[in-house]
Amino acid sequence: QKEVEQNSGPLSVPEGAIASLNCTYSDRGSQSFFWYRQYSGKSPELIMSIYSNGDKEDGRFTAQLNKASQYVSLLIRDSQPSDSATYLCAVGSMNYGGSQGNLIFGKGTKLSVKP
Amino acid sequence: EPEVTQTPSHQVTQMGQEVILRCVPISNHLYFYWYRQILGQKVEFLVSFYNNEISEKSEIFDDQFSVERPDGSNFTLKIRSTKLEDSAMYFCASSAWADSNQPQHFGDGTRLSIL
Repeated sequence: QKEVEQNSGPLSVPEGAIASLNCTYSDRGSQSFFWYRQYSGKSPELIMSIYSNGDKEDGRFTAQLNKASQYVSLLIRDSQPSDSATYLCAVGSMNYGGSQGNLIFGKGTKLSVKP
Repeated sequence: EPEVTQTPSHQVTQMGQEVILRCVPISNHLYFYWYRQILGQKVEFLVSFYNNEISEKSEIFDDQFSVERPDGSNFTLKIRSTKLEDSAMYFCASSAWADSNQPQHFGDGTRLSIL
């Protein structure tokens, strides 16, 4: 059974601070990793994708991947109250044809940014 | 920016009735998905669809579920005889290519309430 694990939180940070969100996954063969943001009652919104070891930066967001440790993280710099949401880690599952398979989601980490 | 659209936004149905949820994927996308999210729980994969056939399905996607692409734009999920436990948010997603590195983009979802 392929699993994606996240701390459910809530994670509370002051405005302007760095928020650090973590995720581990069980399938060592996973190749694609995504962070989605989900506001309450809304759909998942793609923030970042990462496919190779190391860091990937996009604006205030940095995704980090360590395949040896089966670990993905998301850093949010200069956190804003509007960043308050649940952050979902998702891992792409290759199907037997080697093509795009389903996403396996973690339960999400609820982030609260206090003004 | 192109987006996945879903209708209706909220569907209320009596237990045992059939329901059809509709999705219009992003126009040049080739892979289509349905996910569901029971209130307070993680996003769960139901089914993926490519080249007019099911590519992969989860254990949740049993005989009461079916998917169809009736024309060049719509992608539907039918639940034949709804149960109380089918109450959830149902999300449609699409991705551009048959490539595990392509991110999936989600629609706003349909909230299905079974009475």
